[in-house]
Amino acid sequence: DAGVIQSPRHEVTEMGQEVTLRCKPISGHDYLFWYRQTMMRGLELLIYFNNNVPIDDSGMPEDRFSAKMPNASFSTLKIQPSEPRDSAVYFCASSLGGQALGAFFGQGTRLTVV
Amino acid sequence: KQEVTQIPAALSVPEGENLVLNCSFTDSAIYNLQWFRQDPGKGLTSLLLIQSSQREQTSGRLNASLDKSSGRSTLYIAASQPGDSATYLCAVKGGGATNKLIFGTGTLLAVQP
Repeated sequence: DAGVIQSPRHEVTEMGQEVTLRCKPISGHDYLFWYRQTMMRGLELLIYFNNNVPIDDSGMPEDRFSAKMPNASFSTLKIQPSEPRDSAVYFCASSLGGQALGAFFGQGTRLTVV
Repeated sequence: KQEVTQIPAALSVPEGENLVLNCSFTDSAIYNLQWFRQDPGKGLTSLLLIQSSQREQTSGRLNASLDKSSGRSTLYIAASQPGDSATYLCAVKGGGATNKLIFGTGTLLAVQP
């Protein structure tokens, strides 16, 4: 298995534009997590899915952020409109059975909003 | 609210030294604790996972211990190598239905050749 795959690896966009980050979890994993990493706040969980259903989105900063998981092999995190303070590295992770067996992370998407 | 702290924030050691990284958490009701490694510009790689019922886990030169009652975990790296240079993060999964991982602040390790 190629692991968790995220795209794009880098994204630079202008303030106000829509940004869509993509994630392909490890095949067979039933949990998918979106994290954001910044120097100030470290790694924060934004939202996680179980069997494609959003379970906890309490970490989503505001309504500009939305996440979907249309099927077991694909998820998106969308920011609309984007703002400079959204600049961060966004990680997707997947696991089998919640965190009981550990989480596997993607390489991340470095987002810069100018 | 669970808070996870790692000390020190940064550490520089000469090659060959044994070293210990510390992780502390405020709520002892955890399900498991995981240590990750993060290289610059890269994602996180899981190193060791300790279930709440376990005291330690070992993988090669790495040994992680867990003392749930005192809210502490340590990651011991034996005979450090320059390739060990990275940021090390610990994360705890709370008990109950939540599947959230709460991450520590990280320790930036530099092993000097």
